[in-house]
Amino acid sequence: GESVGLHLPTLSVQEGDNSIINCAYSNSASDYFIWYKQESGKGPQFIIDIRSNMDKRQGQRVTVLLNKTVKHLSLQIAATQPGDSAVYFCAENFTGNQFYFGTGTSLTVIP
Amino acid sequence: DTGVSQDPRHKITKRGQNVTFRCDPISEHNRLYWYRQTLGQGPEFLTYFQNEAQLEKSRLLSDRFSAERPKGSFSTLEIQRTEQGDSAMYLCASSRTLGEQFFGPGTRLTVL
Repeated sequence: GESVGLHLPTLSVQEGDNSIINCAYSNSASDYFIWYKQESGKGPQFIIDIRSNMDKRQGQRVTVLLNKTVKHLSLQIAATQPGDSAVYFCAENFTGNQFYFGTGTSLTVIP
Repeated sequence: DTGVSQDPRHKITKRGQNVTFRCDPISEHNRLYWYRQTLGQGPEFLTYFQNEAQLEKSRLLSDRFSAERPKGSFSTLEIQRTEQGDSAMYLCASSRTLGEQFFGPGTRLTVL
């Protein structure tokens, strides 16, 4: 199968600092990417998406960067808050309606 | 609460039994997805419906798994002759477009 992976399984940051979560993907045909946040006991929640014709997209406190040359995706969270503590997944789409999710990074925000 | 509900939230069954899960998507969403998630892993795509038509299935999906969406609204996922390896969280999601899927809380299946 295709590989969508994250460099770091866990990340701890101080409240107020910026967080960067990375994701590597292996399929150069992937043209649409989504970041999801999953809190304990809940389903994933959409954060932000980006298409392959863009290299940067900003939302509220979040920015996604896409580097197609090295097949790398990152999620930047500004001024991280305790409520940001969760597992973050990147998901890629390269065929039909199927999304392939990475393993996830657990983000812990230290008050 | 995303507006997507799943029932039951938890199911414990014995190996060899059949189980059925239900998903009620957001009413105006014509797209519905089923995923399976095991501990420490991301969701794994199982199948996709557009309205009542099942358009895509994972090639990894065993023939013991079947899903329906008879009227293009709620959907059911049935697993026949459950095995211990079927123990996982089963997630349903709905959307209007390819992106931004709204996930339900999931059904946690434990096969003894």
